[in-house]
Amino acid sequence: KQEVTQIPAALSVPEGENLVLNCSFTDSAIYNLQWFRQDPGKGLTSLLLIQSSQREQTSGRLNASLDKSSGRSTLYIAASQPGDSATYLCAVDGSGNTGKLIFGQGTTLQVKP
Amino acid sequence: DVKVTQSSRYLVKRTGEKVFLECVQDMDHENMFWYRQDPGLGLRLIYFSYDVKMKEKGDIPEGYSVSREKKERFSLILESTSTNQTSMYLCASSPRGVLVEAFFGQGTRLTVV
Repeated sequence: KQEVTQIPAALSVPEGENLVLNCSFTDSAIYNLQWFRQDPGKGLTSLLLIQSSQREQTSGRLNASLDKSSGRSTLYIAASQPGDSATYLCAVDGSGNTGKLIFGQGTTLQVKP
Repeated sequence: DVKVTQSSRYLVKRTGEKVFLECVQDMDHENMFWYRQDPGLGLRLIYFSYDVKMKEKGDIPEGYSVSREKKERFSLILESTSTNQTSMYLCASSPRGVLVEAFFGQGTRLTVV
């Protein structure tokens, strides 16, 4: 059974720092991996989608990488800002590209001014 | 922009009441999903649908049912609410095909008293 783990559970950094969030999954047979952002009490906002054939995706200050063979993904945030404070979730689709996602528990990021 | 809209942000219901949670998406997506999110348990899939009038059970379907009479609308039904159904409910949609990116609604916080 696929399991997704995100470490650390919480992270606090000063503004301007570059940071990396980690996501690992137990079954490398995935079709894609998606990173989301969730603000307190709100829904999920899609940040990046990486297909299984891709190694990385970039959007602005965000860069996500995928290493299927080792079961790992990282989300790199450059020049962090207080507005980046949120919970970041990774999710994998391992069920034939159906959109059914298995989520990690998330990393709660606080960026201090 | 893809928009997934859930009918209510907050609901308070008494034990035993019937509850309908409505979700509408405007991107002509084939796939629709209902998740619940609980502290320490993360997001878990309740039900999903790949097409009109089709539904399949997710990981935690007990106590729930769904309805999809139109492509854009997916309803979650709690026939007789119990306190253990107090949770954040999240609806999502995604297209069928290669680039199966999921988009989420803003969430419904249901409290059963």
